[in-house]
Amino acid sequence: GENVEQHPSTLSVQEGDSAVIKCTYSDSASNYFPWYKQELGKRPQLIIDIRSNVGEKKDQRIAVTLNKTAKHFSLHITETQPEDSAVYFCAASRGSGTYKYIFGTGTRLKVLA
Amino acid sequence: NAGVTQTPKFQVLKTGQSMTLQCAQDMNHEYMSWYRQDPGMGLRLIHYSVGAGITDQGEVPNGYNVSRSTTEDFPLRLLSAAPSQTSVYFCASRDRGPANEKLFFGSGTQLSVL
Repeated sequence: GENVEQHPSTLSVQEGDSAVIKCTYSDSASNYFPWYKQELGKRPQLIIDIRSNVGEKKDQRIAVTLNKTAKHFSLHITETQPEDSAVYFCAASRGSGTYKYIFGTGTRLKVLA
Repeated sequence: NAGVTQTPKFQVLKTGQSMTLQCAQDMNHEYMSWYRQDPGMGLRLIHYSVGAGITDQGEVPNGYNVSRSTTEDFPLRLLSAAPSQTSVYFCASRDRGPANEKLFFGSGTQLSVL
């Protein structure tokens, strides 16, 4: 069945360093890859997404890269700040019309001041 | 707009009890879904609906029922609660179309089954 693997499960970085979270998907028909951030006790919120016709997308300090051949995508956070501490989830979907999102197991990021 | 509203926020049940988790959205979204979140397991899709009168199973549907009689509401029913259903439940919705793939989540329901 469809599966999304996410690594690492926990990640600690010093403030100002970069953080990278990696996901691998199994369904080759997936073409939409969002990332959600969940702060402690809060609801998940979309922070960035990428479609299969794009290799990289940036939004200020965060970026997502996609390698369709290898079926993996990554979240990059530069110049990390304490407020980046949260759980991050990747997901994969076949896009509009299917409405089915398969999420990874999450990465708990801790930014140490 | 209130967005996606879930009730209750917390619930404790005894094994075998039944209950309904409520979810309502005021954004006129066609798609609504239920996820459960367990430590180390991420968000797993329970059931989803692409419109009033249409529902389908997700990854972990056993033990849960849903119905969608209106666009706004998508309740999740536990007919006979089991300890394995202890989890945090999130309802999420989105609009239709390729430009509207962002999921809007509710604030969650923390359920404990004793």
